[in-house]
This record gives sequence, C-alpha cells and structure tokens, in this order.
Amino acid sequence: GNSVTQMEGPVTLSEEAFLTINCTYTATGYPSLFWYVQYPGEGLQLLLKATKADDKGSNKGFEATYRKETTSFHLEKGSVQVSDSAVYFCALSDLTSAGGTSYGKLTFGQGTILTVHP
Amino acid sequence: DTAVSQTPKYLVTQMGNDKSIKCEQNLGHDTMYWYKQDSKKFLKIMFSYNNKELIINETVPNRFSPKSPDKAHLNLHINSLELGDSAVYFCASSRGLAGWKMTYNEQFFGPGTRLTVL
Repeated sequence: GNSVTQMEGPVTLSEEAFLTINCTYTATGYPSLFWYVQYPGEGLQLLLKATKADDKGSNKGFEATYRKETTSFHLEKGSVQVSDSAVYFCALSDLTSAGGTSYGKLTFGQGTILTVHP
Repeated sequence: DTAVSQTPKYLVTQMGNDKSIKCEQNLGHDTMYWYKQDSKKFLKIMFSYNNKELIINETVPNRFSPKSPDKAHLNLHINSLELGDSAVYFCASSRGLAGWKMTYNEQFFGPGTRLTVL
C-alpha cells in the first residue's frame, strides 16, 4: 500500500535559519504530492502541491520538488520566521476504487513539529 | 465566511456514551471526509462521501457511523465510546472530480473536534 515517511521532529530553529523537512513516499501509481500545514489549534491547510515528476510547488517562501527517482518531496525554506511554527504534513494522493469508480485518497506522513525562536 | 465548520469544538464524555459530531461545508464541494488525529499528530482517513455516497471506508469499528443528509453535510455518530476514541476529529471537503483529476484536488479542513472520553 501507499505510505509517506517524514523526518522525525520536533525541529527547533532560530529565526532566519534554513529549513529542510525530508519526505519520502511509497506508491503503486502516479500520486500527486502535497505539503499541508497545521497552525496551533487549527485544521490543516494546503501549503503547496506538485502533480507530476519534476514539478516544483511553492508558496509563502516554501518550496518542494517532486523527485520520482528518489521518491522524495522535501520541504525547504531559506529563512524561517516565528510565524512558521506549526506542524507540517507531507501527503500523497493516489487513486482508490469504489463501486467501479476511482477517486483520490490522501495518505499523510506522521507530521513534523517545527518551532522557530526569535 | 467559514468554509468547513464542525460542531462541537470540544466534546468531553463518559465511556459507553453515544455522541455525534456535525460537519458542514459551504464551498459547493461534492466530496467530504472524516479524519482522526491521534495524540502524536498522526492523521488517518476514516470515511469519504461523494454526492452522499460512501466511497472510502477504512478499517474503522462499526461503532462509527457516518451520515450524509446532503452534499454539504457529513455527520459522524459514535456509539459506545471507548477510551481509545479520544482524539481530534477533522472533517474535510474537496471538489468531486473522479478519476485521475481527483488526485490533484486540495482538501479543505475544518477546525477539528477534540473528543475526550473519560
């Protein structure tokens, strides 16, 4: 089955430090890849996505490139801020079948807690 | 202008009780989901409905019963609550495209319902 593995947290950085959160996946098909972010006390929201190999997703200074050869989708940001403190989830969306029709289904990694200090 | 809303936000109850969590989305989406997030932040899909039809039903005890009265609502009823049911439950929705395009779709999450079973 499909699975997503993220680097273990928690990750603690100083403001303006470089961030990398590693993410690798296992999938039987050709999944789309996502990073979601969960701020304290809130639900998840999409940060960025990539739908095919070599696509780069980017948003709010964060980037991730879909690497099929290494089955990876690492999240990077050049200079983190205190407001980036949150839980980050890597996820893949692949097809699942029900009643003869195929639908997308998200599989999440275990989440990485990021804390940025001033 | 809440996109995906859940009630209640907090739910504290005794073992053996029956409880319901309600979810509503005003995004006009066709597909809705329930996820469970455990104390270590791990997220796992429980159910998904498309146009009021169940399409994903993970290995969830049959004490959990989702109900979708219409496309905008997906409620979760839990019978005979157990200690292990304590978690945060998230509702989400997405556009209801079938097939490969479904894997591209962003899911929009509600703020979560924190269930504590004593």
